[in-house]
Amino acid sequence: GAVVSQHPSRVICKSGTSVKIECRSLDFQATTMFWYRQFPKQSLMLMATSNEGSKATYEQGVEKDKFLINHASLTLSTLTVTSAHPEDSSFYICSANPPGLGTDTQYFGPGTRLTVL
Amino acid sequence: SQQGEEDPQALSIQEGENATMNCSYKTSINNLQWYRQNSGRGLVHLILIRSNEREKHSGRLRVTLDTSKKSSSLLITASRAADTASYFCATDAGGNNRLAFGKGNQVVVIP
Repeated sequence: GAVVSQHPSRVICKSGTSVKIECRSLDFQATTMFWYRQFPKQSLMLMATSNEGSKATYEQGVEKDKFLINHASLTLSTLTVTSAHPEDSSFYICSANPPGLGTDTQYFGPGTRLTVL
Repeated sequence: SQQGEEDPQALSIQEGENATMNCSYKTSINNLQWYRQNSGRGLVHLILIRSNEREKHSGRLRVTLDTSKKSSSLLITASRAADTASYFCATDAGGNNRLAFGKGNQVVVIP
């Protein structure tokens, strides 16, 4: 089956630093990827849609300058949390959509745990 | 905004018992999916049910969908300790292949 990886799986950083999280589709090309964040014991909240070769589409209330998304290739999307603060500590999960197919073929990465001190 | 919304349940059951959880949503959908998430991990797709389907089975899983009530249920039969996880429903109500997740149900199966 399709596999999506994320790197790193866990990161701890100091307040004010920037953190980059990678999402890769390992055995398929993904023109679209999605980024979610999940607070403890809560559901997944969609942050943005990452589009290969074009700008990401952000959900309402998500700061695009805070969460920079780059989808430079058909297998890689990156999420950079800029000037991270403790309130950005969360579990970040990406998913990837093989082109031409609907939501029933969305594959999720294992997640990245970000802790900002 | 979240479309799928489960009843805020935390189930604790004995191994071998059945676990039932519910999900409700607000707008029209094409399909509804259930996912499992083990603590601190990513999501595992369990089952998808389309809007023109009323019931679907996959192994020990049974999903129902009532589009008139905008609700779905997930039944896990003969639960096992390994079924301990959080379960989320998600709909395609977000459009553009975006999924809207519900709050989730935490299930603990006691061996």
